[in-house]
Amino acid sequence: FVMTQTPLSLSVIPGQPASISCKASQSLLYSDGRTYLFWYLQKPGQSPQLLISEVSNRLSGVPDRFSGSGSGTDFTLTISRVEAEDVGVYYCMQGLHIPQVTFGPGTKLEIK
Amino acid sequence: EVQLVESGGGLVQPGGSLRLSCAASGFRFTNHWMHWVRQAPGKGLEWVSRIDPDSRITTHADSVRGRFTISRDNAKNTIYLQMNSLRVEDTAVYYCARDLVWNAPDYWGQGTLVTVSS
Repeated sequence: FVMTQTPLSLSVIPGQPASISCKASQSLLYSDGRTYLFWYLQKPGQSPQLLISEVSNRLSGVPDRFSGSGSGTDFTLTISRVEAEDVGVYYCMQGLHIPQVTFGPGTKLEIK
Repeated sequence: EVQLVESGGGLVQPGGSLRLSCAASGFRFTNHWMHWVRQAPGKGLEWVSRIDPDSRITTHADSVRGRFTISRDNAKNTIYLQMNSLRVEDTAVYYCARDLVWNAPDYWGQGTLVTVSS
């Protein structure tokens, strides 16, 4: 099972939008109608934090400038207006196709 | 407050063994699957193992199957990772994490570093 992300690095001016694409090698839609695609952010020197669950559900405390979209095998994380605190590495992850729970390779976001 | 505190990391020679522990608090431990996820220096995240609340189901990544074993002690709110036949490529920070839904961790520990080197 393979997860790919593009781009692998991103340099954004504060206040500008940013978008990260994630593609899965198989559909992440389960028979229960839910799609098990998740987004994480790992800030420098920290443990990963879960931002978005099941494609588009923001976790409590996650700013509303973060949004997720997509279906099947193609997904996107969008930051509407990047802030300095958003720097780090973003990972998509699929939890459906066990035993191989799979993270994407990561996208490094920097501030320009 | 949910807390996950890993311990047991260190330096070990290739072929050696190590047991990691993760003490959980601040939530009903027996309601959650738990995971180990690792990150090699300067690299991305790699899922390692998971265990169900009753220890009936354990799953391991292909890269560690047959060498690593995940377990838990619900009386102690602790999970473990027994790592045998360690290889240089097992060098990584190992994170303990709580499952939110369908193998997606929501809370992570601070990690413990395992270095396999001669």
